[in-house]
Amino acid sequence: LAKTTQPISMDSYEGQEVNITCSHNNIATNDYITWYQQFPSQGPRFIIQGYKTKVTNEVASLFIPADRKSSTLSLPRVSLSDTAVYYCLVGEDTGFQKLVFGTGTRLLVSP
Amino acid sequence: DTGVSQDPRHKITKRGQNVTFRCDPISEHNRLYWYRQTLGQGPEFLTYFQNEAQLEKSRLLSDRFSAERPKGSFSTLEIQRTEQGDSAMYLCASSLFLGTSGNNEQFFGPGTRLTVL
Repeated sequence: LAKTTQPISMDSYEGQEVNITCSHNNIATNDYITWYQQFPSQGPRFIIQGYKTKVTNEVASLFIPADRKSSTLSLPRVSLSDTAVYYCLVGEDTGFQKLVFGTGTRLLVSP
Repeated sequence: DTGVSQDPRHKITKRGQNVTFRCDPISEHNRLYWYRQTLGQGPEFLTYFQNEAQLEKSRLLSDRFSAERPKGSFSTLEIQRTEQGDSAMYLCASSLFLGTSGNNEQFFGPGTRLTVL
């Protein structure tokens, strides 16, 4: 499975847009990019998944350049409740027999 | 609540004791996964089932660990002769795998926090 690299932590303020970039230089042709969010003492929660270009849902946007060696999770107008750990995962969509998590990015949103 | 549930939420035990955790997945989901998470780290895969068949086990799953899903519904994870290094959050997740390309999102439960004294 492709290894991912993302910043250990990020700080932001309420109302700002937050962009978290993930590097996955060894991504394979069949791999999808998926982001999960985890609050303290809770299990991770799926945010968004994409293969190429741009994907948007009610929570976030995912930008994937043509070479797919990186991706950016964009959270518009964050609130205090967006304080969490965000994980970038790469793997085959049809499989995902196991999710391989890194250490994630700890996002702290301040008032 | 129709999400994934886990029981107990917290377990404190003494070294050498056996513990068993239960996971109830979302009812129509055919895949069930177990992960372990230690402080400051992301979850680590332990094993997963499709229906009642255990399809993959991580090398992290030593012979002291055993998981079952006897009727393809709930699952149990047992740890025998617990060690202090087993202290962690044990997470269960489930998904609906249809065998074709598509979103195979995993839905996680709240976890069972194990403390081994």
